Amino acid sequence: GENVEQHPSTLSVQEGDSAVIKCTYSDSASNYFPWYKQELGKRPQLIIDIRSNVGEKKDQRIAVTLNKTAKHFSLHITETQPEDSAVYFCAASDVGFGNEKLTFGTGTRLTIIP
Amino acid sequence: DTGVSQNPRHKITKRGQNVTFRCDPISEHNRLYWYRQTLGQGPEFLTYFQNEAQLEKSRLLSDRFSAERPKGSFSTLEIQRTEQGDSAMYLCASSFVPGENTEAFFGQGTRLTVV
Repeated sequence: GENVEQHPSTLSVQEGDSAVIKCTYSDSASNYFPWYKQELGKRPQLIIDIRSNVGEKKDQRIAVTLNKTAKHFSLHITETQPEDSAVYFCAASDVGFGNEKLTFGTGTRLTIIP
Repeated sequence: DTGVSQNPRHKITKRGQNVTFRCDPISEHNRLYWYRQTLGQGPEFLTYFQNEAQLEKSRLLSDRFSAERPKGSFSTLEIQRTEQGDSAMYLCASSFVPGENTEAFFGQGTRLTVV
């Protein structure tokens, strides 16, 4: 089965600086890579996703890059703000073959220092 | 429709008791997933339904666990003879497959504490 590793487990950055979170996956059949943000006591919410036919995707201050050869993908947050503080999870799945279950990484607790 | 709804939000039970959780997905979604999340970890897949059919169960889902989605709408997850190790957040998610957007929307979860 799929295995997703995520680093770092905690990350503190000064407000306005950039934050990068990295994930690797094991199953070359995985073709969909979402990132979820989870605030304390709240549900995970999708912030950005990327499919394997694309190398990079950007949405305002958030971008995701994917390297299929190396089986790793990264989340980049620029111009960080206090409201970016949360736990971020990467995930991988094999979409289009009847099973879209997500395999999650262990999470990164991001703290933005004002 | 305000999204995926889970009830109860919190449940405290004594070891050995049975508990049942409910998930109401987004109404047009045909896929429904159950995940379990323990402190400091990412959600772990338990099982999923395509309409009323349960298509896959994780090895994490022991025979004390059973899930149903009788009419392809809401789902229930029952844990029999609860153990302290069952303490976790149980998350439900729904999506529509196939389609351009297969985003899984999560509910707020049911936090189970077994004492």
